[in-house]
Amino acid sequence: ELKVEQNPLFLSMQEGKNYTIYCNYSTTSDRLYWYRQDPGKSLESLFVLLSNGAVKQEGRLMASLDTKARLSTLHITAAVHDLSATYFCAQDKEGGSEKLVFGKGTKLTVNP
Amino acid sequence: GAGVSQTPSNKVTEKGKYVELRCDPISGHTALYWYRQSLGQGPEFLIYFQGTGAADDSGLPNDRFFAVRPEGSVSTLKIQRTERGDSAVYLCASSIPGGVEQFFGPGTRLTVL
Repeated sequence: ELKVEQNPLFLSMQEGKNYTIYCNYSTTSDRLYWYRQDPGKSLESLFVLLSNGAVKQEGRLMASLDTKARLSTLHITAAVHDLSATYFCAQDKEGGSEKLVFGKGTKLTVNP
Repeated sequence: GAGVSQTPSNKVTEKGKYVELRCDPISGHTALYWYRQSLGQGPEFLIYFQGTGAADDSGLPNDRFFAVRPEGSVSTLKIQRTERGDSAVYLCASSIPGGVEQFFGPGTRLTVL
């Protein structure tokens, strides 16, 4: 059974600071996803990581995948208020139905 | 281009009533997924369609929940004898054949009084 655990669940940080959100998963699937959700809105795809060592960057966000450690990280560089949202990581099982199993999410608040 | 659309955006119903939630996927996306998101939680998988058939319905919580996709495009999630615990946001997603990325709709917020 796929399990995905994120930490921290809540993160309050100041603008300009750096921080990392961690996502541990339970199986050896090589596919890991990061989504952003604003309050009352749907999920916006940020990154799809498909292989060990994959690193993707978009603006102030960088995601990486270590399949041996079953760990993905989402690193925030020089946070700005607009990054305030809830971030979810999710995993699926290649060759299965491709249903996504989500973590509980990390609610990020960036304070001025 | 048009994304995944869901109607209604909000639905308030009374306990015991029947509801239907509709999802219109991105054109050409043969895979369609339903998820349920409770307050403060991540989305939980309900059912997956590949074309017209339900390829995986292992996430449906009980037999009060049913979904159809008769023509391989629009899907309807049907909930009978609604209970207060069914209150959640129901999300629909779609993807291209063989695609790894799922694109989510805006969701339907269901409130059962």
